[in-house]
Amino acid sequence: SQTIHQWPATLVQPVGSPLSLECTVEGTSNPNLYWYRQAAGRGLQLLFYSVGIGQISSEVPQNLSASRPQDRQFILSSKKLLLSDSGFYLCAWSVLGGSTEAFFGQGTRLTVV
Amino acid sequence: AQSVTQLGSHVSVSEGALVLLRCNYSSSVPPYLFWYVQYPNQGLQLLLKYTSAATLVKGINGFEAEFKKSETSFHLTKPSAHMSDAAEYFCAVTLDTGFQKLVFGTGTRLLVSP
Repeated sequence: SQTIHQWPATLVQPVGSPLSLECTVEGTSNPNLYWYRQAAGRGLQLLFYSVGIGQISSEVPQNLSASRPQDRQFILSSKKLLLSDSGFYLCAWSVLGGSTEAFFGQGTRLTVV
Repeated sequence: AQSVTQLGSHVSVSEGALVLLRCNYSSSVPPYLFWYVQYPNQGLQLLLKYTSAATLVKGINGFEAEFKKSETSFHLTKPSAHMSDAAEYFCAVTLDTGFQKLVFGTGTRLLVSP
């Protein structure tokens, strides 16, 4: 069966520090991968998605970047964190096709101080 | 572009009462619709999905939702609430574009009292 791993679960980082969040998927090949951010009262906002290795699409301009160095690995990064980067970050994967649901990781709670 | 609106950021019910969480969508083409549940500090779990087959969709944990094109709605219901249903619920929409990009509503927190 397919599983998705996301780490760390919680992270407290100072303003201006770098960020790296990792997400890996097991049990499937060539998944679509996504990074979402959840802010209180604002639902989930799609940040990045990827349909293959090295193929990244950004949905909103921001202080973050994403990379997909391997088929089932998706990394969210920042060179210098801002206070506004605080939030709950969720990685997800899906197979190709609009009728299929996305499967989510357990999320990372990022607090920038 | 497609979107969803969830009416009511908080809904409170008593244990055993009917649960009704509202979702209205906007889409220029027939959409695919989803309901997800999120427990505190966890990821999202799929409750049910509408993919243009039956308009009444049954999901896990006794939840169901009915797709009403004339009302552009996809409300989530459960006949009898349990304490364990207390969580945040998200409605989401996507199009059959060959690539699944979910657009989420802002969520509804369900509170269940004894």
